[in-house]
Amino acid sequence: DVKVTQSSRYLVKRTGEKVFLECVQDMDHENMFWYRQDPGLGLRLIYFSYDVKMKEKGDIPEGYSVSREKKERFSLILESASTNQTSMYLCASTTDRGGGYTFGSGTRLTVV
Amino acid sequence: SQKIEQNSEALNIQEGKTATLTCNYTNYSPAYLQWYRQDPGRGPVFLLLIRENEKEKRKERLKVTFDTTLKQSLFHITASQPADSATYLCASYSGGYQKVTFGIGTKLQVIP
Repeated sequence: DVKVTQSSRYLVKRTGEKVFLECVQDMDHENMFWYRQDPGLGLRLIYFSYDVKMKEKGDIPEGYSVSREKKERFSLILESASTNQTSMYLCASTTDRGGGYTFGSGTRLTVV
Repeated sequence: SQKIEQNSEALNIQEGKTATLTCNYTNYSPAYLQWYRQDPGRGPVFLLLIRENEKEKRKERLKVTFDTTLKQSLFHITASQPADSATYLCASYSGGYQKVTFGIGTKLQVIP
């Protein structure tokens, strides 16, 4: 069964910490995405990548960066965590940019 | 930019009835419209995709329509069951390097 795996389901971090969220897919997909989801705001795109070593800013990239050194792995980095980054983070991948996305189970991050 | 509007109010229906969820888009007609199911605390799961030149798509008890005149997609679940209770997300893709835009979702509750 094809899947997108996010390294943690729950994380609690302190303000100012550097946080790494890892995402791995086993489907050989070129396209990978990081979203955050907040009540009433829906899914908002943080960063995406259409190829290895390539990254593009989404709608809300401030305070985040990404890394894609290998095709199957796309990491989201919170440079200095803040309480307003408390959220559900979702990674997704697809082989066809317009096709259905496969999402991971999500990481619920709490910054205290 | 594209905006996807879904009824943010929950939809309650009786088991066995047909549930109909609405997705409206503003501006230009998307190349594809996608529908996802999301359970609490989990990532969305892709259900169906419909292309601009398709009027209707079916998959088991699911049916999706695409009306470019009304700028609307309808998502139907026939013979609904309590297990269909979830939040359903609509998403639009406009082609090429454009990003997928998600609606905030409609929560469906099927009452036994």
